[in-house]
Amino acid sequence: DQQVKQNSPSLSVQEGRISILNCDYTNSMFDYFLWYKKYPAEGPTFLISISSIKDKNEDGRFTVFLNKSAKHLSLHIVPSQPGDSAVYFCAASDSAGGTSYGKLTFGQGTILTVHP
Amino acid sequence: DTGVSQDPRHKITKRGQNVTFRCDPISEHNRLYWYRQTLGQGPEFLTYFQNEAQLEKSRLLSDRFSAERPKGSFSTLEIQRTEQGDSAMYLCASSLPPTGTQYFGPGTRLLVL
Repeated sequence: DQQVKQNSPSLSVQEGRISILNCDYTNSMFDYFLWYKKYPAEGPTFLISISSIKDKNEDGRFTVFLNKSAKHLSLHIVPSQPGDSAVYFCAASDSAGGTSYGKLTFGQGTILTVHP
Repeated sequence: DTGVSQDPRHKITKRGQNVTFRCDPISEHNRLYWYRQTLGQGPEFLTYFQNEAQLEKSRLLSDRFSAERPKGSFSTLEIQRTEQGDSAMYLCASSLPPTGTQYFGPGTRLLVL
């Protein structure tokens, strides 16, 4: 039962253009969402997060959009740079109605390649 | 802030041997998580601690796996009688509630021959 899905295994983008990575989830209890970037042989690096009370969060070149009714989130990277080439994972957590979060459930990842 | 550290970074062992991994979280973080990642997949949750209490264990965590965090600081993950299917990257993360953001270490790559 894959509760978080990234349906695009890979994405190729030209430098300077926008990269859009997508993620779908099925568990309606999820109320906190994160994006991580991962290089080979390293641990995931936190990029940006969004709470379910928002529909957009920006941090520099990175913007995350959340559509709760569609159970869909996306990560926009503008402008894309060759150094952004990595595997991107979306992840979700739920607070179980409380005030703190537990484990993360991850998607399978999308390999982003940004060409110079 | 020195980040999450893990030791060793790589481990090669023979089937049937026991292995132990260590994780040191970010110093003020009282939650510590273990995940396992295999090729082509996202990290999968194994277990987590709040201080020294183990709050949740995944069904993935068979009885050959045990994790401890005796003093609420560093944690160890032991795999007994390793099998080839245990070959994976073992990731540790920490967080400070109420935030849900977890910060990961570099991982320990295990190869069971």
